[in-house]
Amino acid sequence: AQRVTQPEKLLSVFKGAPVELKCNYSYSGSPELFWYVQYSRQRLQLLLRHISRESIKGFTADLNKGETSFHLKKPFAQEEDSAMYYCALSLFLSGGYQKVTFGTGTKLQVIP
Amino acid sequence: DSGVTQTPKHLITATGQRVTLRCSPRSGDLSVYWYQQSLDQGLQFLIQYYNGEERAKGNILERFSAQQFPDLHSELNLSSLELGDSALYFCASSVVLGELFFGEGSRLTVL
Repeated sequence: AQRVTQPEKLLSVFKGAPVELKCNYSYSGSPELFWYVQYSRQRLQLLLRHISRESIKGFTADLNKGETSFHLKKPFAQEEDSAMYYCALSLFLSGGYQKVTFGTGTKLQVIP
Repeated sequence: DSGVTQTPKHLITATGQRVTLRCSPRSGDLSVYWYQQSLDQGLQFLIQYYNGEERAKGNILERFSAQQFPDLHSELNLSSLELGDSALYFCASSVVLGELFFGEGSRLTVL
């Protein structure tokens, strides 16, 4: 069965420091991977997905199939990046629907 | 605005009671997902529906049940409520494959 692991429950960094939120997954095929973000008292929203290979709010994430990882990175943290971040894996199943598995989330705290 | 609507936004009730949370997915989305988020905890997947049929079940208690109706809206029923059921309950919807769109959540407080 597929699994998503986010080893850090809390990550504290100083403003301006680099950020790396770790995500590892277990699945033998080719999954679709996402990062979702939840700012304080707001709904979860998509931050980025690996197939788009774009940078959103300065964040990037590269899928490393060899290491089965999809770490989220940003070179210089901003205070407004403080939020809860969830890594998610999506599989398309026969029957025409997807199954989504979320990691347990990492709370990013950017210290001024 | 994600297009996913959840009602009620807030709900306060007593132990032993029963509540129903409602979710209206985005227009055209066939899949509905329910998640529970407790204080300082991540998202706990409860259940998923696709076009009216249950497709996946997570850590959903027997006291909880859900269904998706022909118009695709979904309801999550929580019964015999306990203090520990106090949480934020999120609904999300999606098309066949891709991004999940989340509602703002229903905050349940059990006293």
